[in-house]
Amino acid sequence: GAVVSQHPSWVICKSGTSVKIECRSLDFQATTMFWYRQFPKQSLMLMATSNEGSKATYEQGVEKDKFLINHASLTLSTLTVTSAHPEDSSFYICSATSRTSYEQYFGPGTRLTVT
Amino acid sequence: AQKVTQAQTEISVVEKEDVTLDCVYETRDTTYYLFWYKQPPSGELVFLIRRNSFDEQNEISGRYSWNFQKSTSSFNFTITASQVVDSAVYFCALSERYSSASKIIFGSGTRLSIRP
Repeated sequence: GAVVSQHPSWVICKSGTSVKIECRSLDFQATTMFWYRQFPKQSLMLMATSNEGSKATYEQGVEKDKFLINHASLTLSTLTVTSAHPEDSSFYICSATSRTSYEQYFGPGTRLTVT
Repeated sequence: AQKVTQAQTEISVVEKEDVTLDCVYETRDTTYYLFWYKQPPSGELVFLIRRNSFDEQNEISGRYSWNFQKSTSSFNFTITASQVVDSAVYFCALSERYSSASKIIFGSGTRLSIRP
């Protein structure tokens, strides 16, 4: 089946620094990738939708200058949290849809802790 | 606007009991898709089922079954003879259409604990 990976699986960074999270589709070409954020004991909230080669579309309330998304190829999307603050600590999950199937495949998630 | 409501925040049952997780949705679309996902403590989402709005047939997969009723906008999930390994957070979700760019709207989740 289709596999989506995320790297790193967890990361700790200091307040004010930036951190990059990678999302890769391992065995298919991803037409669209999605980024979700999940705070403890809460649901998944969609942050943005990205299509290869074009700018990401951000959901209302998500700061595009803080959460930079780059969908550089059909197998890779990156989320960069710039000038991270403790309130950005969360579980970030990406998903991807393929050219041939509209099934959305989820990555294993990245746990970000900002100290 | 689309919305998914999972009124049960937490459920705890003893192993081997049957348990039903409720899901009520709102959408103005006539074509939509409903999902259930399982999120174990590891955090990785596990896809359980997808159902389109034109298919109201109930689905059974082993100990899992789903009851879709458009008349009440509900898509409930039942686990029969629950097991400890079923302990997880379960999310019901809705998508307005089925395309590569479809957004999935998640409910708030139900935390299910199965006691031995």
